[in-house]
Order: sequence, then structure tokens, then C-alpha cells
Amino acid sequence: DAGITQSPRHKVTETGTPVTLRCHQTENHRYMYWYRQDPGHGLRLIHYSYGVKDTDKGEVSDGYSVSRSKTEDFLLTLESATSSQTSVYFCAISENGQGLGYTFGSGTRLTVV
Amino acid sequence: GENVEQHPSTLSVQEGDSAVIKCTYSDSASNYFPWYKQELGKGPQLIIDIRSNVGEKKDQRIAVTLNKTAKHFSLHITETQPEDSAVYFCAASSPSWRNSGYALNFGKGTSLLVTP
Repeated sequence: DAGITQSPRHKVTETGTPVTLRCHQTENHRYMYWYRQDPGHGLRLIHYSYGVKDTDKGEVSDGYSVSRSKTEDFLLTLESATSSQTSVYFCAISENGQGLGYTFGSGTRLTVV
Repeated sequence: GENVEQHPSTLSVQEGDSAVIKCTYSDSASNYFPWYKQELGKGPQLIIDIRSNVGEKKDQRIAVTLNKTAKHFSLHITETQPEDSAVYFCAASSPSWRNSGYALNFGKGTSLLVTP
């Protein structure tokens, strides 16, 4: 997707290890979001950011932390990965909020074994 | 927080028929309702949206209707084609999260299959 990239695209990790996923944008948008997608649950908000160093929790934030030290990068860290965190993770960006102009990345498929 | 219910979870139609997907939301403060299409292995992509001050919006074969009083909105796809096969998500902007810029709450998705 133009202007937003996620890395890595796929990752397999062991239970108990820390994992960091990266979302990088070139659009200079203010708002950035991390969602997880699971069968039967749709997309659920994990954390979001409304500016550099400004972040807050979403619906399913337990076990996750985030950081945004630059406008363009929003990092999601699983502090100690568990099997329940096996999921597809999507980052989204929005310039003005209000839900408008949400653009999603291509996702990171994370498997915790 | 905002709760978005989406039905049906799966939908199979013949090519050329119409498809309708329905969503309800709980928070009367929600004011923006987009629909996303997700193809296999890709991120969701916006296909149409509607704001709370509009009752209906159309874009070629796709239309969305909104009933604010009943808190429900629907996606209508006419003259369906096999390339319409995908997972569709409805969403509602939510004031639930402070400073989030009204982050979107999503329905659980509808898997649409259009058979030739």
C-alpha cells in the first residue's frame, strides 16, 4: 500500500520472547493505529498514536506496548509473546482522524509457537 | 465502547445478483461509516463511506444506506461479479478512545462469494 509499509511480513517466534513489529509511513499523517485480525473477531484496536510520543490503549492492549519516537514510525512490541498473540497485525494511518482516510498496511502474520 | 454488529458472516450469490450486508452500531455519537474490502493476503481497502448527515451514497455498482434513528447501515452491491468475492468489513467511528481521532470500530466481516 502506497505510503505505509509494515515489517516483517511474516514472523515465527517462540513463546516468551519479545517481538517488535514496525509500521513506517511516508505520508506525514498524525494518527497511527495498530489492529489485530483474528477469525471471528474482525479487526480489533490494540494501541494508537496521536502524535510523536503520544500513545494510548485500545480495546485489546494487554501484553502489548507501543512507541512513536518519530512521526513516520510506530512500533508494536509484544513484551513476552504468547500463543494467543498469534494473529495478523495491521497498521493504519489517518491524517485528520474522525475515521477518515484510514489507509492500511499489508499486514504482518505473526505465529507464536 | 462502540459495538458494531455485522450480518451475515458468509454470503454466496450468483454472478449478476445483488448482495446486501447489514451492520448495526451502538454509539449515537458515531458519525462516519466506511466499508472496507479485503482480498486474501492484503490489507483492507476502503470502497465506500458515508457520513451521518447523509442517508444514501452510491458509486457505480456499490451503494451504502444509513438509518441514524435505527443505528444501522447497509452495503448494497448490484450486478455482482466474481472479482467482488472478498471479505467485507463495516466500521463506525468511535469516540470511545480519548485523543484517538475517532478510531474505527469494525464489524467481524462478511465473506462474500460470487459464483459464475
